[in-house]
Amino acid sequence: DTAVSQTPKYLVTQMGNDKSIKCEQNLGHDTMYWYKQDSKKFLKIMFSYNNKELIINETVPNRFSPKSPDKAHLNLHINSLELGDSAVYFCASSQDSDREDGYTFGSGTRLTVV
Amino acid sequence: LAKTTQPISMDSYEGQEVNITCSHNNIATNDYITWYQQFPSQGPRFIIQGYKTKVTNEVASLFIPADRKSSTLSLPRVSLSDTAVYYCLVYEWPTGANNLFFGTGTRLTVIP
Repeated sequence: DTAVSQTPKYLVTQMGNDKSIKCEQNLGHDTMYWYKQDSKKFLKIMFSYNNKELIINETVPNRFSPKSPDKAHLNLHINSLELGDSAVYFCASSQDSDREDGYTFGSGTRLTVV
Repeated sequence: LAKTTQPISMDSYEGQEVNITCSHNNIATNDYITWYQQFPSQGPRFIIQGYKTKVTNEVASLFIPADRKSSTLSLPRVSLSDTAVYYCLVYEWPTGANNLFFGTGTRLTVIP
């Protein structure tokens, strides 16, 4: 069983389109995250969310929005896609009370905007 | 946010012990030191985390000197499947996720 799964793995779309990336975790973790990995391999936080609080990185354009139907899911919706949105996006989760396991990441979604 | 510095790449033969050192001179009192492993087309995978002295699990050991300004990840008897990028991160738990900066990591290549 995959602990953190995200779909699709690859996404190619045209500028201006709206798309969503789904993420599910079966670890019972209470916090989920979205990260963007840029061309230099830096992973930068976009959002973190638990059932109490949504924290948004202020540098993230408001075209990006997280949607959490329940504790095990945190989907990323992107409006009006731009060329610069092309990157690999990682979903992750953690249990605040369990430091020793760190963050568990999904395998990533490679988004290409053409 | 504590900045980390680690070698860009390392090569090792199969069966050898590999030590990857990371510098984090401006580590804060509440920061933990964490190492992740990443294979191509996969997300980072947690390896080990420590605060001070030595931590060991089934995968690796982490050595942290008293001043905590550096740390060394030790992988015993590496195999070809250990070829990956290894990231050293320093952050406060659990709020550190908001500043989780992976950097470029160390690309380890295990040679037969």
